[in-house]
Amino acid sequence: DTGVSQNPRHKITKRGQNVTFRCDPISEHNRLYWYRQTLGQGPEFLTYFQNEAQLEKSRLLSDRFSAERPKGSFSTLEIQRTEQGDSAMYLCASRLGGSTGELFFGEGSRLTVL
Amino acid sequence: AQSVTQLGSHVSVSEGALVLLRCNYSSSVPPYLFWYVQYPNQGLQLLLKYTSAATLVKGINGFEAEFKKSETSFHLTKPSAHMSDAAEYFCAVSVLVQGAQKLVFGQGTRLTINP
Repeated sequence: DTGVSQNPRHKITKRGQNVTFRCDPISEHNRLYWYRQTLGQGPEFLTYFQNEAQLEKSRLLSDRFSAERPKGSFSTLEIQRTEQGDSAMYLCASRLGGSTGELFFGEGSRLTVL
Repeated sequence: AQSVTQLGSHVSVSEGALVLLRCNYSSSVPPYLFWYVQYPNQGLQLLLKYTSAATLVKGINGFEAEFKKSETSFHLTKPSAHMSDAAEYFCAVSVLVQGAQKLVFGQGTRLTINP
């Protein structure tokens, strides 16, 4: 299966620690997105890459959050000095440029901050 | 700003009954609209999409949705519910902001199927 892959699937950490999530998109997709989903809510947009360029960042993405996509392939999302409010599912999605906007999602990385 | 509103955070139907999940959109331009399904602890899977072709769109698992411009609606239906349809369903609209295309999601509707 060559779908979107995310790891780790689950991460439990203590408040104040740093965590990093990785996303491997579908290989031919040049657009990559990160969303955050809290319990009982719809996914909220965090950031977007076109190839290696980060083109948009949501105001939800505080200074403690940083995302990269070196070489336009996989992407990482790092959260520094985690807070309990960061507990959520972090979803990665990808798509082809020129498509109708349909996103292909990974299984998500669930973060629990104690 | 373009957005979607899902009416009803929780819908419960009996197995074999009609499923109707409501979604209304707000858009100043012809929208691209999507329905996704999410099973527990999983990512989102596309059910169907409207891209300004036929107004009645058929998707996977027997679901379909009708785009009604006059009502700004894109409701999801299935004639006969199956136990495996129990999941969270999200309506989404594609928006273009400063050259970046992204999906904006509704709050979701949890579908429960009663035996």
